[in-house]
Amino acid sequence: QQPVQSPQAVILREGEDAVINCSSSKALYSVHWYRQKHGEAPVFLMILLKGGEQKGHDKISASFNEKKQQSSLYLTASQLSYSGTYFCGTESVNDMRFGAGTRLTVKP
Amino acid sequence: DSGVTQTPKHLITATGQRVTLRCSPRSGDLSVYWYQQSLDQGLQFLIQYYNGEERAKGNILERFSAQQFPDLHSELNLSSLELGDSALYFCASSVRQGFSGELFFGEGSRLTVL
Repeated sequence: QQPVQSPQAVILREGEDAVINCSSSKALYSVHWYRQKHGEAPVFLMILLKGGEQKGHDKISASFNEKKQQSSLYLTASQLSYSGTYFCGTESVNDMRFGAGTRLTVKP
Repeated sequence: DSGVTQTPKHLITATGQRVTLRCSPRSGDLSVYWYQQSLDQGLQFLIQYYNGEERAKGNILERFSAQQFPDLHSELNLSSLELGDSALYFCASSVRQGFSGELFFGEGSRLTVL
């Protein structure tokens, strides 16, 4: 089953923060986060493994609660370059499914 | 540039036809994954190959098939095409056997079925 992402879309002003959530009904081995700009390929941001790790990528960080099968992506002090669609990918047995995506727009 | 090459970039064909999409993974990557992305939709996992062997299968239709060759490039064959098969098809590669590693995506092949 496809993980559920929320919100579906968010509009920010430069410098504002945002949180994107991802939840799954299946037991997960890991959660991946990717960003896709319009007309381009998805680009890897980070992987979170079981154990509640929190990882960071510049001013983007994420957490993974394996008990709740949920992950959140935190974007702080957003920049114009953060605009794009964010996908979470959830890894379970022999499978990785992506959510429908969260479209993030950062305006000046 | 991810290092993953997909051809063709664009393809327009008619219903009932058959097409082949090609993917060359990054140098050194043994895994190839195929994903389908329909308009404003997420990425739907189709199939994965590791070092020439099918390793995992997702929501791939029976009309679709794939293979990975000894030189590690992969082809996705789509037959008896329907309007609903119009989508962006991504290939990704990884050094890992499963799904626990970073995926490097190609730029995709946009298929339009008329």
